[in-house]
Amino acid sequence: RKEVEQDPGPFNVPEGATVAFNCTYSNSASQSFFWYRQDCRKEPKLLMSVYSSGNEDGRFTAQLNRASQYISLLIRDSKLSDSATYLCVVNNVEDSNYQLIWGAGTKLIIKP
Amino acid sequence: NAGVTQTPKFRILKIGQSMTLQCTQDMNHNYMYWYRQDPGMGLKLIYYSVGAGITDKGEVPNGYNVSRSTTEDFPLRLELAAPSQTSVYFCASSYRGSQPQHFGDGTRLSIL
Repeated sequence: RKEVEQDPGPFNVPEGATVAFNCTYSNSASQSFFWYRQDCRKEPKLLMSVYSSGNEDGRFTAQLNRASQYISLLIRDSKLSDSATYLCVVNNVEDSNYQLIWGAGTKLIIKP
Repeated sequence: NAGVTQTPKFRILKIGQSMTLQCTQDMNHNYMYWYRQDPGMGLKLIYYSVGAGITDKGEVPNGYNVSRSTTEDFPLRLELAAPSQTSVYFCASSYRGSQPQHFGDGTRLSIL
């Protein structure tokens, strides 16, 4: 089983729709969780951290489900500019927190 | 507000040549990382460092070497370049291993 798994997509979504991604992780002791976005041929950029109680930043909502070991990202009122690959990231607790484990990403395409 | 700076941005090498990819950060981060990303794939960790004078192997270290003589700089050395090393290379840094990583713009390297 991969340590961090994501549906690769692509998700083709009409502009204005709501879209949700899930990401599962294998280590129940993981403590730090993040969502990054990566535009084509660009570097990954932090979208938001994921907190235990869930958190929201504008149109974006992140949630953590420790019991089922997954995190989710919800995008409301999607914009054309939301088209990107979304990366799920979890810390590697077995290696003294030196590393983050990266999912392969979910590709999102917003269509007009 | 330089953040993480990588040079060069593009490079073409011949098989068997060597080169050094430069990475410097001005955020006083302790942790630094080198990743490679092949087309359509996720990030793979090559090497990382938790502080000056300390480096360790990641998932795909073969064919590469690193050094960390200062907090700011973390160069990646390719010895005897091979076509399999054609990729985009990203340098990243973070204050602690469990915190979000900040990325440079990347170096696009082709080995012909």
